[in-house]
Amino acid sequence: AQSVTQLGSHVSVSEGALVLLRCNYSSSVPPYLFWYVQYPNQGLQLLLKYTTGATLVKGINGFEAEFKKSETSFHLTKPSAHMSDAAEYFCAVSEGTGRRALTFGSGTRLQVQP
Amino acid sequence: DAGVIQSPRHEVTEMGQEVTLRCKPISGHDYLFWYRQTMMRGLELLIYFNNNVPIDDSGMPEDRFSAKMPNASFSTLKIQPSEPRDSAVYFCASSAGANVLTFGAGSRLTVL
Repeated sequence: AQSVTQLGSHVSVSEGALVLLRCNYSSSVPPYLFWYVQYPNQGLQLLLKYTTGATLVKGINGFEAEFKKSETSFHLTKPSAHMSDAAEYFCAVSEGTGRRALTFGSGTRLQVQP
Repeated sequence: DAGVIQSPRHEVTEMGQEVTLRCKPISGHDYLFWYRQTMMRGLELLIYFNNNVPIDDSGMPEDRFSAKMPNASFSTLKIQPSEPRDSAVYFCASSAGANVLTFGAGSRLTVL
């Protein structure tokens, strides 16, 4: 069975500071990994994904994440936070070519202080 | 493309009533997913379809919940009878087999 653990339900950073949201996964097969963002009263939007190949993946809005198999991690980073980054972020895992449904983590709410 | 379209966006009903949530996936997508989001349990997969066939319904809470996909462009999630603990935001998502799910805006259900 696959699972995702997001460390920290709330993260607060200052505008311009580094954003680091942590995600660890568990999967019995090579995983596909995703980060989604949810703004208030909206659905989830894809930020970035890792399937195969390069382990550092870049997404929209300046976010990137690195797949580290040895650490079973897929942390999300952004060098400089912007006020518009305030939202809830979800890490998700799937079994790639097997079970297609995503298993989501519990989410991390990012606050950006002026 | 209009994206994944869900209706209604908000539904308030009384305990015991039947609730039907509707979803129109993106044209050409062969997978459709229903998720439920609550504060307590986060995002839970309820059921998903491939080419209109249910593949995994193990997340459906109980017999009060049912989902159908009569054709490639329409799916319903029905709750009968509804209970207050069913209050949540229900999301529909679709994908074209590449695991990238596109989500609808959600249907917020309140059962009084």
